Amino acid sequence: DSGVTQTPKHLITATGQRVTLRCSPRSGDLSVYWYQQSLDQGLQFLIQYYNGEERAKGNILERFSAQQFPDLHSELNLSSLELGDSALYFCASSKSRGHYEQYFGPGTRLTVT
Amino acid sequence: ILNVEQSPQSLHVQEGDSTNFTCSFPSSNFYALHWYRWETAKSPEALFVMTLNGDEKKKGRISATLNTKEGYSYLYIKGSQPEDSATYLCAFINFGNEKLTFGTGTRLTIIP
Repeated sequence: DSGVTQTPKHLITATGQRVTLRCSPRSGDLSVYWYQQSLDQGLQFLIQYYNGEERAKGNILERFSAQQFPDLHSELNLSSLELGDSALYFCASSKSRGHYEQYFGPGTRLTVT
Repeated sequence: ILNVEQSPQSLHVQEGDSTNFTCSFPSSNFYALHWYRWETAKSPEALFVMTLNGDEKKKGRISATLNTKEGYSYLYIKGSQPEDSATYLCAFINFGNEKLTFGTGTRLTIIP
């Protein structure tokens, strides 16, 4: 158990809908990262927050947005969902920024039908 | 687009043998390199974070080296055990924007 929690574990929704994925980092960790793993694809970095501020942005679609709240939990919002958005979404946390190892949550499996 | 390559893509190794694989990354704007171990149906687990040229890190039977000038890192596993079977991922972090770019991984299977 990494200490990072993600909810929900599974989510099934229809095209065009909007969903919110939630992540609670390990106690004391200030950075939160979001990743997407699609079928037959590697891990794609989406976005990083550090102490409430957006720190780095990867290949995140405009339909997706994220934020980190004062209590350091983070939410990833996915809107106007398409079939291709079906994937495993991981959240990870670390003490600070790039020089610290990341601890991954169990992931949220999103299925868009 | 940053190119982070791992080789080989997959590897079968007899139990007890030692093995190694490579992560290649851009030699400019280096900030850090991470290694992760990812077992099927689980989440990636951190192995090492490497930041300085010449770094060597070790955790049990697994060790890693870093050459930032030529842009590569090696991961070594000594005396492979069945529980070492996993995909090993490296991730390059770019100085300045701190974006992470993962390689596609080396899938290691240990044959008992």
